[in-house]
Amino acid sequence: GESVGLHLPTLSVQEGDNSIINCAYSNSASDYFIWYKQESGKGPQFIIDIRSNMDKRQGQRVTVLLNKTVKHLSLQIAATQPGDSAVYFCAEIDRGSTLGRLYFGRGTQLTVWP
Amino acid sequence: DVKVTQSSRYLVKRTGEKVFLECVQDMDHENMFWYRQDPGLGLRLIYFSYDVKMKEKGDIPEGYSVSREKKERFSLILESASTNQTSMYLCASSPQTSGRFSPDTQYFGPGTRLTVL
Repeated sequence: GESVGLHLPTLSVQEGDNSIINCAYSNSASDYFIWYKQESGKGPQFIIDIRSNMDKRQGQRVTVLLNKTVKHLSLQIAATQPGDSAVYFCAEIDRGSTLGRLYFGRGTQLTVWP
Repeated sequence: DVKVTQSSRYLVKRTGEKVFLECVQDMDHENMFWYRQDPGLGLRLIYFSYDVKMKEKGDIPEGYSVSREKKERFSLILESASTNQTSMYLCASSPQTSGRFSPDTQYFGPGTRLTVL
């Protein structure tokens, strides 16, 4: 089956700096990717998504980049704030399912220092 | 405010006990999911359901069963709890959207941290 993973399990940044969280996927047929944020004691929450026909998508302070050649996904957070401290997961959609089944990466713990 | 609730935030059980984890959503969603979350492994799908009384195995169904008697409720059952089932369990729901997935409409509950002694 598909496999979605992250390069680094932890990332520490200074408040105000930009953060980059990486994700690798193995299924070249995957066509939809999502980033989730999970704060301590809470369930994952949707941040941003991107389709495989796009290379870049921007949201509020966040940008997702997709490189299909090397099957790599990244989440960039601009001007990182203490409230951004959380675990970030990438996920891909099972194209064979209409139910929205997700395959999750292992997660990266982002810690923001004041 | 839409919501997915789970019956317990923390649960401690003994090996061999039968354990019920309950999940309720108030959004009239057709799809419901049970995941377990372990450090370094991310979220792994145990079971999911796309309709009342329907269920499908996920990636790690062994040792678990589920029940969906009502649309809003999806229960995860550990028939005989074992220590390797100590984990965080997350429930999620999403609407059926005529085959088009809407990722921002998949909602997660707060999780149940289960410890099996």
